[in-house]
Amino acid sequence: GQQLNQSPQSMFIQEGEDVSMNCTSSSIFNTWLWYKQDPGEGPVLLIALYKAGELTSNGRLTAQFGITRKDSFLNISASIPSDVGIYFCAGIRTGNQFYFGTGTSLTVIP
Amino acid sequence: GAVVSQHPSRVICKSGTSVKIECRSLDFQATTMFWYRQFPKQSLMLMATSNEGSKATYEQGVEKDKFLINHASLTLSTLTVTSAHPEDSSFYICSAEGLAGFSYNEQFFGPGTRLTVL
Repeated sequence: GQQLNQSPQSMFIQEGEDVSMNCTSSSIFNTWLWYKQDPGEGPVLLIALYKAGELTSNGRLTAQFGITRKDSFLNISASIPSDVGIYFCAGIRTGNQFYFGTGTSLTVIP
Repeated sequence: GAVVSQHPSRVICKSGTSVKIECRSLDFQATTMFWYRQFPKQSLMLMATSNEGSKATYEQGVEKDKFLINHASLTLSTLTVTSAHPEDSSFYICSAEGLAGFSYNEQFFGPGTRLTVL
């Protein structure tokens, strides 16, 4: 099935730094979701966005639903070692069609 | 809330045998469950959509006779990998879509099942 373009593919950052990643598509989505997957585990929902322009925070995480409805970004502030993992965006289109991003692998160096 | 379990978490089997993986929504009812496959360092690839009481819808390229899906109740879906071969070795993840009380059909994922076929 279709996948969303996510960038960057991987990131290596120092503990305490801020992180930004984004997800883009050529199609319009009604809902954007951000998940985190730890090694050997299933994805865990971090943030859900339902309206264009919406900005939502969950602790040190902030995500925005792009105005064009074709993109979304996720920011992590003051990264810590437990932020390590793979972050996936997901979009839901009309008809409840669900698409996953290609993933961003985050490594935090203590 | 919105907890999804999978069993087993890890299975090793001989080539030619069949393996059944269970996916349960523990604290909510799910009319729709999804089965994904994930290879190392890759994203999740949707295999099939499972609707309670009806036949599953398979994605293009997924053999329905090889990957049998049964969604007999609102809290349980099973995936059976029939006559497994080494190339079927992968991480299989299910997800469940909430029936009520959830916004816009978010999917909640199970912890995954690591299948290794020798």
